[in-house]
Amino acid sequence: DAGVTQSPTHLIKTRGQQVTLRCSPKSGHDTVSWYQQALGQGPQFIFQYYEEEERQRGNFPDRFSGHQFPNYSSELNVNALLLGDSALYLCASSLVGNSPLHFGNGTRLTVT
Amino acid sequence: SQQGEEDPQALSIQEGENATMNCSYKTSINNLQWYRQNSGRGLVHLILIRSNEREKHSGRLRVTLDTSKKSSSLLITASRAADTASYFCATLRMDSSYKLIFGSGTRLLVRP
Repeated sequence: DAGVTQSPTHLIKTRGQQVTLRCSPKSGHDTVSWYQQALGQGPQFIFQYYEEEERQRGNFPDRFSGHQFPNYSSELNVNALLLGDSALYLCASSLVGNSPLHFGNGTRLTVT
Repeated sequence: SQQGEEDPQALSIQEGENATMNCSYKTSINNLQWYRQNSGRGLVHLILIRSNEREKHSGRLRVTLDTSKKSSSLLITASRAADTASYFCATLRMDSSYKLIFGSGTRLLVRP
């Protein structure tokens, strides 16, 4: 039973560029959440997708957008990258409701 | 913004000793969860305690919740070197059912 998978594992981009990160949820899960984790900090909630719609959003600018596909997989897009966007981006899946999150191993994004 | 704040920020103990980590939060919660993270990888769910519960056990883990003080503690008994990791508390607020908010974490080092 595959857990949450994220791709790519590492990515280096230049300021101003755009990036797309991908996530496949754990089998049987229908909800995907995205988090940003800066070095030495706890994960910060970006947004959550359920039934292909953004259900809730954290305090992130519109440069951060996402999508959920009919097979429940999800993408996180970040436009006009800033140096401060360098972080570990974590995808987590769950069943609808308040069940615990299952995390992938993240994508390490470095913006130069 | 972060709802939960862990204390201490870092903890170093000898193998076999107990480790206690504390978490404080600000607003009413639906539940509180503890997660573990090894070396910048994905987080792993450890235990969930609901707002109407006061104590919960899972193996060597014991979690308490005091809603009047808005605080929780995680006790790891008979620690092992493999318990070395960062531990995060996360809260699901009453007014925000979908957003799990993480604290800044406690970095635990268990010395062999």
